[in-house]
Amino acid sequence: GIQVEQSPPDLILQEGANSTLRCNFSDSVNNLQWFHQNPWGQLINLFYIPSGTKQNGRLSATTVATERYSLLYISSSQTTDSGVYFCAVSGGYNKLIFGAGTRLAVHP
Amino acid sequence: NAGVTQTPKFQVLKTGQSMTLQCAQDMNHNSMYWYRQDPGMGLRLIYYSASEGTTDKGEVPNGYNVSRLNKREFSLRLESAAPSQTSVYFCASSEAAAGNNYGYTFGSGTRLTVV
Repeated sequence: GIQVEQSPPDLILQEGANSTLRCNFSDSVNNLQWFHQNPWGQLINLFYIPSGTKQNGRLSATTVATERYSLLYISSSQTTDSGVYFCAVSGGYNKLIFGAGTRLAVHP
Repeated sequence: NAGVTQTPKFQVLKTGQSMTLQCAQDMNHNSMYWYRQDPGMGLRLIYYSASEGTTDKGEVPNGYNVSRLNKREFSLRLESAAPSQTSVYFCASSEAAAGNNYGYTFGSGTRLTVV
């Protein structure tokens, strides 16, 4: 099956800093999503982005499907951005496979 | 505008007991999913239902059964709970049709402990 690798595994930032999270995947995908799991465990869908670039406020994402990677950019980070960021992909229908996540801590 | 609702939020079971986790969505989505998340790890797919009346195994189906009761509801049953099933269980739904996949909406999770 498809392998999903996320880097870095852990990231510590000072409030206001920018960061880039990476997701590599081992095969062609038709579905790629980024999620944020907050410290209370709630999973929030950030982007559905199998290809191209999207932006939502301070967050943006780019997927280069031909090179099998996706990037999540967080600008001007805030303490509320803390949590775990997951990349999930599917090469077929309805079977999202999750990476192990990037754990982000933003300090004031 | 509830989205995906899971019950219960917490449960403690003794080894060998059975229980059913309930999930309901009010977004008229076709597809529903059950995932488990173990400490420090990503989510793993247990079962999914592409549409009402169909269910399929995911990555880790052993020890579980599911029922797609109707378009809104998708339940997960543990027939004989084992300590290895201690985990946080998430239900999700999406508006997926043949050839197209869309973003998932997750419930708030059920934290299950088997002692």
